[in-house]
Amino acid sequence: DAGITQSPRHKVTETGTPVTLRCHQTENHRYMYWYRQDPGHGLRLIHYSYGVKDTDKGEVSDGYSVSRSKTEDFLLTLESATSSQTSVYFCAISWGTNYGYTFGSGTRLTVV
Amino acid sequence: KNQVEQSPQSLIILEGKNCTLQCNYTVSPFSNLRWYKQDTGRGPVSLTIMTFSENTKSNGRYTATLDADTKQSSLHITASQLSDSASYICVVSEGTYKYIFGTGTRLKVLA
Repeated sequence: DAGITQSPRHKVTETGTPVTLRCHQTENHRYMYWYRQDPGHGLRLIHYSYGVKDTDKGEVSDGYSVSRSKTEDFLLTLESATSSQTSVYFCAISWGTNYGYTFGSGTRLTVV
Repeated sequence: KNQVEQSPQSLIILEGKNCTLQCNYTVSPFSNLRWYKQDTGRGPVSLTIMTFSENTKSNGRYTATLDADTKQSSLHITASQLSDSASYICVVSEGTYKYIFGTGTRLKVLA
């Protein structure tokens, strides 16, 4: 999607290895979010950021950490990947809670 | 517990036909409700957003309605096209960072 890119698009990793997913935006949005999408579940919030170096936990944050050192980049790290973290991860950006999201195209992560 | 439930889970219709998707929510307090379209392998894309005071919002062939009293919303698709085949997700906001996502309705439009 225009203005927001995720990398990598696909990744296969082994259990116990660290993994970092990147979300990059060119829209200068204040808010950035990481979600995971699994069959039978709606999108679930992992972490979000409301500014540079300002982050907070979502509903499924265990096993994940984030960092935002620049407005345009929001990184999601799995310190030690587990099979339960196999999922599709979406980054989203927003001007604020009363505005809609723009989602990235997603990262499909497989932990074997 | 804040929840968003969508029905049906899946739907198959013929091209040119209309259909209506349902969303019931128990989110409180309520700030706004959004409908998203998600094509396979892509991120969701916003269709409509409605606040408490709005009860209808249109976007081309898509019309969303909201009844804040009964906590129900619907998305009506008119004269469906093959490109409408996708998942449609209802999202309700409390007005904070918390957005509650439904699990979606998977729509298949057949030629």
